[in-house]
Amino acid sequence: QVQLVQSGGEVKKPGASVKVSCKASGYTFTNYAIHWVRQAPGQRLEWMGWINAGNGDTKYSEKFQGRVTITTDTSASTAYMDLSSLTSEDTAVFYCTRHCTSPSCPGFDYWGQGTLVTVSS
Amino acid sequence: DIVMTQSPLSLPVTPGEPASISCRSSQSLLRSSTGYYNLDWYLQKPGQSPQLLIYLASNRASGVPDRFSGSGSGTDFTLKISRVEAEDVGVYYCMQALHPPYTFGQGTKLEIK
Repeated sequence: QVQLVQSGGEVKKPGASVKVSCKASGYTFTNYAIHWVRQAPGQRLEWMGWINAGNGDTKYSEKFQGRVTITTDTSASTAYMDLSSLTSEDTAVFYCTRHCTSPSCPGFDYWGQGTLVTVSS
Repeated sequence: DIVMTQSPLSLPVTPGEPASISCRSSQSLLRSSTGYYNLDWYLQKPGQSPQLLIYLASNRASGVPDRFSGSGSGTDFTLKISRVEAEDVGVYYCMQALHPPYTFGQGTKLEIK
């Protein structure tokens, strides 16, 4: 069965960086894209960016441009989201989610369990 | 960016009764190359990750009960639950996947009366 398993929670100081991993199983990793979504406390879901695991193409939200880098290790079927220059406003749960790469995709059909990143001095 | 606006934001419902959530986008979500509307609905149950309910405006995701249905076109979309059950509590989000950045509505919290 399809699973996306994320790395554990992190506590970071302001100005630091965090790298969250998302290990996929149960499907051909390179046939899909991985997207990252942020959810700050009490806030709506916020799309950060995506990577086509087949060819490595990326697209980032302008809100996070310059601070976020999404990569993959196809040999490990794992995607990574690196967020730098953290502030307290980055305290949130970060989700990875799967999406096929055609315009007629059936949505974000599988999600990771979420990773809580806490930014505090 | 495409702005997504949901209403209502809070929805108390008696079990067995129907429920309806509206989602409006700031521009049409029609992808001309496919003829589909790139609008999805998700449910985030308490303490859980979001789960896909409806994709491309009106298609139920695998395993989703048929009491859930999606409709709409252009900029106006609706999620309907024909008979609400206790397990349907949570926050419902619409999301546009037409143009990056993909954007979500504010969420509608469904609770049982």
